[in-house]
Order: sequence, then structure tokens, then C-alpha cells
Amino acid sequence: ELKVEQNPLFLSMQEEKNYTIYCNYSTTSDRLYWYRQDPGKSLESLFVLLSNGAVKQEGRLMASLDTKARLSTLHITAAVHDLSATYFCAVDDNAGNQFYFGTGTSLTVIP
Amino acid sequence: DAGVTQSPTHLIKTRGQQVTLRCSPKSGHDTVSWYQQALGQGPQFIFQYYEEEERQRGNFPDRFSGHQFPNYSSELNVNALLLGDSALYLCASSLSLTKNIQYFGAGTRLSVL
Repeated sequence: ELKVEQNPLFLSMQEEKNYTIYCNYSTTSDRLYWYRQDPGKSLESLFVLLSNGAVKQEGRLMASLDTKARLSTLHITAAVHDLSATYFCAVDDNAGNQFYFGTGTSLTVIP
Repeated sequence: DAGVTQSPTHLIKTRGQQVTLRCSPKSGHDTVSWYQQALGQGPQFIFQYYEEEERQRGNFPDRFSGHQFPNYSSELNVNALLLGDSALYLCASSLSLTKNIQYFGAGTRLSVL
């Protein structure tokens, strides 16, 4: 059974601190996605990583993919309150026909 | 340009009833996927529709069925509702050529009593 695991599940961090969320998956997929979800809202696409070694950055967030280790990281630099949300990673079946999501990391940034 | 729209936003049903949820994809998108998101969990893939046919299906029972219309809009039907079907149901649309780029709707919150 394909598994997508994230850790930590819950993260409380102070503003201006750095932290990393990890996403491990059990399939051989070369494609990994990061989404953000605010409470009661839908999913917002953050990053699409399509190859080994891919690195993408947007503001205080940077995502990377190591397909050999089946690991992706989402690094948060100098956290601000606006980053508080739940972050999900997902992989697909390499054809875009079926997606598998992790259980999410609930991030709270404390002033 | 309207994004992915879903209706209704909230729905309350009782066990054993049937429900239909609706989704209009983003303009120009021809592929629609449905997900179930239980409280505190990640979305789980139900199925994907393209060219009015179910192309891929996740691990959901036959009580869950769908349809895609010629205008690419889609419906999700759930029969014989169980308490465990209570969840946020999300629709995502994409282009067949770039299926990995999905846009999600705001979802329908279904409560089964």
C-alpha cells in the first residue's frame, strides 16, 4: 500500500525562526506537490517538483525533492504569523491520474 | 475567470440517504478529480473523470459514483450514506495535457447524522 508520511504532524514555532517539514513516500513517483490549506478553506498549490534534485522557492518557503531517498522537504525561513496553516505533500502515479496525500502538518507561528 | 466552483457548500443528510455534489471546473479544464477529506486528515482520491468516463478510481466502494457532462462539469453521487461519509468533498480540475497541475474548489461539507 502506498504511503505518504509527513512529520511533524503538529508544529508550533516562534516568529523569525527556521524549521523544516519532511515528507516521505513509498512509491517510485518522480513528482511531488506541496499544498497549503487554511482552516475551513480549500487547498492552494504551493510547489510542483517534477524531478530529482528539484528545488523551488517562494518567499519564506523552499521545497526540495530527492527521488532516490523518496523524500521532500519544505523549509520555512524566518517564520511569520501569516504562514500558520496546514501543509500537505502529495505524490501522483507519474501520470497525473491519481494523487496520494500525506496527513498534513499543522503549523502555528507564535508571535 | 471563475475558478473551480462546487455546490452546495454545506449539506446535512441522514444515514441511508443519497446525495449529489456538483463541480464546475476552471474554464478550459477538461479533467475533474474528486477527493474526500475527513476531519484532520489529508484528502483521499475518489476518482478522476475525463471525456465523460471514469479514468482512475481510488479505494472507495461502489456507493460512490460519478458523472462528467459534455461541458466538463461533474457530479459525485453517494448512495446509502454512512456516518463515516461525513467529510469535506473536494473537486479539482486540470487540463488533460498537464494533469499534474490541479486547481481545487472550496469543497462541500457533508454531515451525515
